Amino acid sequence: ELKVEQNPLFLSMQEGKNYTIYCNYSTTSDRLYWYRQDPGKSLESLFVLLSNGAVKQEGRLMASLDTKARLSTLHITAAVHDLSATYFCAARTSGSRLTFGEGTQLTVNP
Amino acid sequence: DADVTQTPRNRITKTGKRIMLECSQTKGHDRMYWYRQDPGLGLRLIYYSFDVKDINKGEISDGYSVSRQAQAKFSLSLESAIPNQTALYFCATSGHNYGYTFGSGTRLTVV
Repeated sequence: ELKVEQNPLFLSMQEGKNYTIYCNYSTTSDRLYWYRQDPGKSLESLFVLLSNGAVKQEGRLMASLDTKARLSTLHITAAVHDLSATYFCAARTSGSRLTFGEGTQLTVNP
Repeated sequence: DADVTQTPRNRITKTGKRIMLECSQTKGHDRMYWYRQDPGLGLRLIYYSFDVKDINKGEISDGYSVSRQAQAKFSLSLESAIPNQTALYFCATSGHNYGYTFGSGTRLTVV
């Protein structure tokens, strides 16, 4: 059974700082997803990572995938307040099911 | 119109009542899913369906049932609601281009 763990679960950071969210998954998965969720809202797709070594960047966010280590990272560069949200990673299992991590609640303070 | 529409958006119901949450999509996707979100637990899969005749249990299907009325419609029912089914419920679809599309969610409160 695939399990997905994120850390940290809570992250409070200052504007302008850099930080990384980690996502570990327990068994082989062929796709790794990152989502953003604002309070009371739906999930917004950020990245889909398909292969070992994949790196994708959008604005201040960069995601990477190491399938050998079963690890994905979401790196935040020079954080701004607008990035405050909950971030989820999810790994795809057989049957196109997504297994989600617990989520990382990010707060960016002035 | 949204690609994945969930109704109702919010619902308060009493313990023991039957309730149905509805989901419809305009993506033309075959695969549809129901997830439940609880604080600190992420999203957990309740049921999923690959087409009208193919419905499968997810990791937390006890106390729930589903109906795939058409390719575009996938409903979730709570036969006898209980307070620990209070949660945010999401419907999602997926196609062949790797992406998943989530609905806006239904916030269900069982009192």
